[in-house]
Amino acid sequence: DSGVTQTPKHLITATGQRVTLRCSPRSGDLSVYWYQQSLDQGLQFLIQYYNGEERAKGNILERFSAQQFPDLHSELNLSSLELGDSALYFCASSVEGDTDYEQYFGPGTRLTVT
Amino acid sequence: GENVEQHPSTLSVQEGDSAVIKCTYSDSASNYFPWYKQELGKRPQLIIDIRSNVGEKKDQRIAVTLNKTAKHFSLHITETQPEDSAVYFCAASTGGGADGLTFGKGTHLIIQP
Repeated sequence: DSGVTQTPKHLITATGQRVTLRCSPRSGDLSVYWYQQSLDQGLQFLIQYYNGEERAKGNILERFSAQQFPDLHSELNLSSLELGDSALYFCASSVEGDTDYEQYFGPGTRLTVT
Repeated sequence: GENVEQHPSTLSVQEGDSAVIKCTYSDSASNYFPWYKQELGKRPQLIIDIRSNVGEKKDQRIAVTLNKTAKHFSLHITETQPEDSAVYFCAASTGGGADGLTFGKGTHLIIQP
């Protein structure tokens, strides 16, 4: 157990809908990262938040957005869903010090768009 | 942006033998290189990492080597065991790890009994 939690575990929804995925980082970690894992695209970095502020953006679609709240949990919002958005969505967290940047992954949310 | 190539895509070795997985990266500014192990349906688990100021790092049966000049790094697993069977991913980051990771496509390691 990495200490990173994600809800829900599974989500099934229809095309055109909107969903919200939730992540709670490890205690003390200020950074949250979101990744998407699919068979064709592999593991892709989407976006990073640090202490409530967006820090880095990867291959995140405009239909997707995220935020990090004062209690440091984060939410990833996916809208106008398409079949191709079906994937495993992971969040990871890390503590930032002089040397500690290791990212620890949560169990993931499996999204199925039908 | 960064591009990470990983080989081979599948590796089958006899139990007790060694396994080597290789990755190359494109961005010379990359300075942090972690390796993750992922079992089917589970989360990626960090197994070892190396920073650009170090050439080699070892942790029991696992070692990672880095060649900055050639821009490649490798994972070495010795005395392989059945529980080593999984998909292994290499990754690179330009921010010391404090930013998003760029992953390779993964290597499916199969340990034959």
